[in-house]
Amino acid sequence: QKEVEQNSGPLSVPEGAIASLNCTYSDRVSQSFFWYRQYSGKSPELIMSIYSNGDKEDGRFTAQLNKASQYVSLLIRDSQPSDSATYLCAVSGSARQLTFGSGTQLTVLP
Amino acid sequence: DAMVIQNPRYQVTQFGKPVTLSCSQTLNHNVMYWYQQKSSQAPKLLFHYYDKDFNNEADTPDNFQSRRPNTSFCFLDIRSPGLGDAAMYLCATQAGQGLVETQYFGPGTRLLVL
Repeated sequence: QKEVEQNSGPLSVPEGAIASLNCTYSDRVSQSFFWYRQYSGKSPELIMSIYSNGDKEDGRFTAQLNKASQYVSLLIRDSQPSDSATYLCAVSGSARQLTFGSGTQLTVLP
Repeated sequence: DAMVIQNPRYQVTQFGKPVTLSCSQTLNHNVMYWYQQKSSQAPKLLFHYYDKDFNNEADTPDNFQSRRPNTSFCFLDIRSPGLGDAAMYLCATQAGQGLVETQYFGPGTRLLVL
């Protein structure tokens, strides 16, 4: 079983729609959760971090965490073509190292 | 201003010819990481340093070595690159090992092995 699982996609949404990206993790003692955006051929860029159950909003991005269900999600409102990228979920667990999912490829169609 | 710098951005080497990738940081962070990322895969942790303490992941091949001569610089040496080592190599830094610390990535070095 993979430690951090994401749907690989591709996920396509029309411009202006809400994109919903999901991630599950297996380490129950995980404490910190991150979403990175990675454009093709570029390095990951942090867009959101979340540590407590519930929602955290930053501009068009909302991260949601449910530790009981071992589930973290990222919502992108008013999606733009520039949001087209691979989104990596990363989890910091008992070893204090980041474990990455393999990413969900998002395409926002103009 | 760039905070985590990697050189070169692109590296072409021949099968079996040693190569060194470098990473420098202006953040004065204690922790530095090296990841390998292949196409459509998650970044895979190779090594990390907490200050000068070196930590090798259990499944990192012996062909990969690392050096951290000071806080600012870290090097990844691939002693005998094989075709399977072609990948993006990512350096990242982190202020400490607290639970809320964020990793900052450099731009990466793309390695091609001929």
